Amino acid sequence: NAGVMQNPRHLVRRRGQEARLRCSPMKGHSHVYWYRQLPEEGLKFMVYLQKENIIDESGMPKERFSAEFPKEGPSILRIQQVVRGDSAAYFCASSPSRTSGGSNNEQFFGPGTRLTVL
Amino acid sequence: GENVEQHPSTLSVQEGDSAVIKCTYSDSASNYFPWYKQELGKRPQLIIDIRSNVGEKKDQRIAVTLNKTAKHFSLHITETQPEDSAVYFCAASKGGSYIPTFGRGTSLIVHP
Repeated sequence: NAGVMQNPRHLVRRRGQEARLRCSPMKGHSHVYWYRQLPEEGLKFMVYLQKENIIDESGMPKERFSAEFPKEGPSILRIQQVVRGDSAAYFCASSPSRTSGGSNNEQFFGPGTRLTVL
Repeated sequence: GENVEQHPSTLSVQEGDSAVIKCTYSDSASNYFPWYKQELGKRPQLIIDIRSNVGEKKDQRIAVTLNKTAKHFSLHITETQPEDSAVYFCAASKGGSYIPTFGRGTSLIVHP
């Protein structure tokens, strides 16, 4: 089991460009979560998705940010017209399907994408 | 919504000492409390968790206690080693939602 995969690991963008961050959940996991971590701060929830559905995007900025988790392929967090304040580590986590039985709430984190906006 | 407070923000101990990190939560409906360890530049990794139907859980040198009445839970690390140095995050979530609310983290430094 390869675990949660994220790419790229490091991403440098100039102000105004677009950033696309990808996350492949663990095999068998259908729940994906995106978090942002600023230097020396905790993990801030952004969005929770299941296949083809956004379940909770209460932590996502209203403008410039979007996320998707298509039927096929990885989940993508997209940041349009990046600004310096978007520089952070973005972590993706996945958890098992709720329908698989049990009440396992454990989330497994990917290695993160460190976004630097110049 | 849920609010999780974590203290201290920095903890410095000598190798072999114990370390205790405390968290409080606000939503009495929260019933799952994981602890994550994040080494510098790496991903957060679950080290121990506790559910609201138990008061204490232990795994070798690591233990977690939960006081539902007071809405606080703590991480205890005994016989600390330099490799325990990392940032530790507590979190709280409800059963119906898998979205945990994280504390701001505690930077633990274990001096050899």
